[in-house]
Amino acid sequence: EAGVAQSPRYKIIEKRQSVAFWCNPISGHATLYWYQQILGQGPKLLIQFQNNGVVDDSQLPKDRFSAERLKGVDSTLKIQPAKLEDSAVYLCASTEFAGGNTIYFGEGSWLTVV
Amino acid sequence: KQEVTQIPAALSVPEGENLVLNCSFTDSAIYNLQWFRQDPGKGLTSLLLIQSSQREQTSGRLNASLDKSSGRSTLYIAASQPGDSATYLCAVSPNTGNQFYFGTGTSLTVIP
Repeated sequence: EAGVAQSPRYKIIEKRQSVAFWCNPISGHATLYWYQQILGQGPKLLIQFQNNGVVDDSQLPKDRFSAERLKGVDSTLKIQPAKLEDSAVYLCASTEFAGGNTIYFGEGSWLTVV
Repeated sequence: KQEVTQIPAALSVPEGENLVLNCSFTDSAIYNLQWFRQDPGKGLTSLLLIQSSQREQTSGRLNASLDKSSGRSTLYIAASQPGDSATYLCAVSPNTGNQFYFGTGTSLTVIP
């Protein structure tokens, strides 16, 4: 079974530039999450999708971050304009359905803003 | 809001030792609790999932316990090996089952 795929793995951009990350969850998984993990901290949820609808985006900085999952499968997370404090690992995860069963994570997209 | 704390932040043990990692959470109304392993430069791998109605789960040398009333969970690793070196995170899911709140992790080093 293929895991959660993410790209790019690494990205270095200057502040005020934009960046986009892509995620393809495990086939058949209805729930998709984007987490931000700053070095030395635990992951923090940015947004949760159930199929193509948003369940929770309360911690998403909406002035600069956006995410979509148009066809209920893969998803894109965009940051524009980036700030230095956005340097982090962006982790995509999926579960078969909302309800807290085993969650599968991708390897993450590492962002450095200089 | 749920707060998850993990102590210690870092732990170094000689190979072969048994060890315990601790996780505490402020709101006992949880749906489940999961323990994860994170290797450097990698994503998270789920190790054990404990439903709120369960007291413990075991997988190989790993045993996780859950005491909802006191807001605590422990991960017991028996006969530690150098390959166990990683960061271990716990996460709780609230009754809605939609969100995972993570601790900051315990960085484990097993010395050969």
